[in-house]
Amino acid sequence: DVKVTQSSRYLVKRTGEKVFLECVQDMDHENMFWYRQDPGLGLRLIYFSYDVKMKEKGDIPEGYSVSREKKERFSLILESASTNQTSMYLCATQKGEVYEQYFGPGTRLTVT
Amino acid sequence: GQNIDQPTEMTATEGAIVQINCTYQTSGFNGLFWYQQHAGEAPTFLSYNVLDGLEEKGRFSSFLSRSKGYSYLLLKELQMKDSASYLCAAMDSNYQLIWGAGTKLIIKP
Repeated sequence: DVKVTQSSRYLVKRTGEKVFLECVQDMDHENMFWYRQDPGLGLRLIYFSYDVKMKEKGDIPEGYSVSREKKERFSLILESASTNQTSMYLCATQKGEVYEQYFGPGTRLTVT
Repeated sequence: GQNIDQPTEMTATEGAIVQINCTYQTSGFNGLFWYQQHAGEAPTFLSYNVLDGLEEKGRFSSFLSRSKGYSYLLLKELQMKDSASYLCAAMDSNYQLIWGAGTKLIIKP
């Protein structure tokens, strides 16, 4: 079974803090994604990566950056957290282009 | 633009059948996914359709009509554990998933 883990289930940070969310997968999948999920909206893609050290912007990259130094690890960074970044953050992995995505348990981030 | 529409909420009775509809508009099309998401949990993959027709997988079936930009998820013999949100996602020409907001399914005894 694919296992995708995220560093925290719940996180509370203050406005202006730098926030790191980490995602680790154990199935050697090439593709990794960061989404945010808000009530009444579909999942929105923040960034994705098809390979080590490679990153692509998704639909809502503003205020975020990512890092992929190793194949199994994909980090999402909020450079200066703001209250409108309060959300559920979901990491996903994918073996190839036309395959299902496997999701981590999510991190519910609250910025106060 | 790209868009996915699905009902916000549906209610059904335990043991019954329910059909959750999804319509999509995307730039190109590389398939339609359905995911299940229980409250507070991660989405889990249910089905993938790329050709027209019905695909059956146990109590769950998924249908696709590419010409109509339409899909549905059919759940039979509903159980209380089927109470969840069901997410429809279409893959566009760039192999990116466009997600619907999800349909919250409430099962009543």
